[in-house]
Amino acid sequence: AQKITQTQPGMFVQEKEAVTLDCTYDTSDQSYGLFWYKQPSSGEMIFLIYQGSYDEQNATEGRYSLNFQKARKSANLVISASQLGDSAMYFCAMRERGNFNKFYFGSGTKLNVKP
Amino acid sequence: DTAVSQTPKYLVTQMGNDKSIKCEQNLGHDTMYWYKQDSKKFLKIMFSYNNKELIINETVPNRFSPKSPDKAHLNLHINSLELGDSAVYFCASSHGLAGLFNEQFFGPGTRLTVL
Repeated sequence: AQKITQTQPGMFVQEKEAVTLDCTYDTSDQSYGLFWYKQPSSGEMIFLIYQGSYDEQNATEGRYSLNFQKARKSANLVISASQLGDSAMYFCAMRERGNFNKFYFGSGTKLNVKP
Repeated sequence: DTAVSQTPKYLVTQMGNDKSIKCEQNLGHDTMYWYKQDSKKFLKIMFSYNNKELIINETVPNRFSPKSPDKAHLNLHINSLELGDSAVYFCASSHGLAGLFNEQFFGPGTRLTVL
């Protein structure tokens, strides 16, 4: 089974609107971390936000928030007030305590923000 | 200060040649990684090193040989380059188990084109 699943290969959002990028994960480990990265067209990988499995509150970083639903094993990224500069690939990733030398990445979602 | 650096940024070479990519991190991390990102943007882990020791080797052809002279460096040597090796190669680093919920830091990537 896939460790990280991102089911939206591409998405469009209107500038200034909010958008949710989906991520589901598969693990039997009790201790794990979930991460989101942004990759703009320039190619670099930019870390956005993380959520630990024991965190009860959803993580937030500026316009980014992580909607963590542990029972559903989902860790969706919410971007509020989208900007043109948010157009990029977004990757969800997970790291498990039992296999901490490996980060599992999803296949990514390409977000296009329309003016 | 650059956290994870890679050289070269671009590499264009002929089939059959041997080439190397160098990676250095100044973050004090003890784990380093090599990823291959194909044209569909899928990120595939190739190798993971912890304290200079190879931990993960993800069914990569043995034409690829990583070398970690110390914790801050992880180089990738590729023999007998093939057309299918064309991709962007990312180096990354992170803390080990002690930093389970800490993110991975990525280098800027090396775009390898094999003609």
